[in-house]
Amino acid sequence: AQRVTQPEKLLSVFKGAPVELKCNYSYSGSPELFWYVQYSRQRLQLLLRHISRESIKGFTADLNKGETSFHLKKPFAQEEDSAMYYCALAGAGFGNEKLTFGTGTRLTIIP
Amino acid sequence: DAGVTQSPTHLIKTRGQQVTLRCSPISGHKSVSWYQQVLGQGPQFIFQYYEKEERGRGNFPDRFSARQFPNYSSELNVNALLLGDSALYLCASRRAQGNEKLFFGSGTQLSVL
Repeated sequence: AQRVTQPEKLLSVFKGAPVELKCNYSYSGSPELFWYVQYSRQRLQLLLRHISRESIKGFTADLNKGETSFHLKKPFAQEEDSAMYYCALAGAGFGNEKLTFGTGTRLTIIP
Repeated sequence: DAGVTQSPTHLIKTRGQQVTLRCSPISGHKSVSWYQQVLGQGPQFIFQYYEKEERGRGNFPDRFSARQFPNYSSELNVNALLLGDSALYLCASRRAQGNEKLFFGSGTQLSVL
């Protein structure tokens, strides 16, 4: 069975401080990991995916297969980063269609 | 770009009733997925359709069914509603199967009384 764990429901960080949102996963095969974000009154949207190895809005995430983690990081938090963040894992056989989501972390940036 | 559109935005039903939720994917997108998001939880996969065929099903009872039409729009049906079916139902679309970006709609908030 595949599972995604986000241990922090709430995280508050001061503006300009580093941000790290934790994500651990359980999956028997080779996973595809994603971070989705939902800003206030907006739709759920893709932030980044590990296969792209890209940095979006200053966020990065590295897949650590040894620790089965995919933590989201940003060196300097900005107020517009306040949002709900979901880590998600794609299962095999569906072309990345079946996503398993974590319970989410609500990030609040304190001015 | 209209994005993924879902209707209705809100719905109130009573236990035992049946409900139909609708989704229109982004123009050119042939794959539609449905997710259920209970308050305080992440979205949970229900169904995926591609080219009008079911390509995936999550761990939901047979009371849940869906279909995709020739224009690639989709309906999610839930029969014999239970209180626990109260949730936000999200539709998502992508152009095709494979490693493509998934676009979510704003969802339908279903309340079962």
